[in-house]
Amino acid sequence: AQSVTQLGSHVSVSEGALVLLRCNYSSSVPPYLFWYVQYPNQGLQLLLKYTSAATLVKGINGFEAEFKKSETSFHLTKPSAHMSDAAEYFCAVSDQGGSEKLVFGKGTKLTVNP
Amino acid sequence: ETGVTQTPRHLVMGMTNKKSLKCEQHLGHNAMYWYKQSAKKPLELMFVYSLEERVENNSVPSRFSPECPNSSHLFLHLHTLQPEDSALYLCASSPGQASGNTIYFGEGSWLTVV
Repeated sequence: AQSVTQLGSHVSVSEGALVLLRCNYSSSVPPYLFWYVQYPNQGLQLLLKYTSAATLVKGINGFEAEFKKSETSFHLTKPSAHMSDAAEYFCAVSDQGGSEKLVFGKGTKLTVNP
Repeated sequence: ETGVTQTPRHLVMGMTNKKSLKCEQHLGHNAMYWYKQSAKKPLELMFVYSLEERVENNSVPSRFSPECPNSSHLFLHLHTLQPEDSALYLCASSPGQASGNTIYFGEGSWLTVV
């Protein structure tokens, strides 16, 4: 069974600073990995996903994530934070080759300070 | 606009009421889902429908009753709920049930049980 751990339920950065949101996964088979974003009072929106092609995945709004098998990590980064990036971010994992459900982490709330 | 529409967006109901949440997807997808999002908990998958057939029920209490009359519509019928059922209920859809598919979420229905 898969699982996801997001380190830090809250992350606060200054506008223009690097954003780093951490995600570690556990899976007995090669995983698919996803990052979703949830803005206040909205549903979840896909930022990016890893499906075993390139290990560095670029998503929307300038975000990217790198799949590191040796570290079982899929951290989300953005070089320069904008105020509009304030939201909650969810990492999720499912396994390749099956119909396993998507397992979500508990989420990390990102605050961007002016 | 994600192509998944949920109504109502907000619902307040008493513990003896019967109400329904509605979800409609305009994406031509074959799989639809209900998730529950509570504060400080990971997203909980409640039900999965694939081609109008329920394929997963994650030990959800019988006071929640899903209905999928066709591949575009999904309902969640609610009766004799408890205050702890207050949460954001998210509907989602995907092209199929396979694990690599992106899941598209609606904006959610905020439910308060009084």
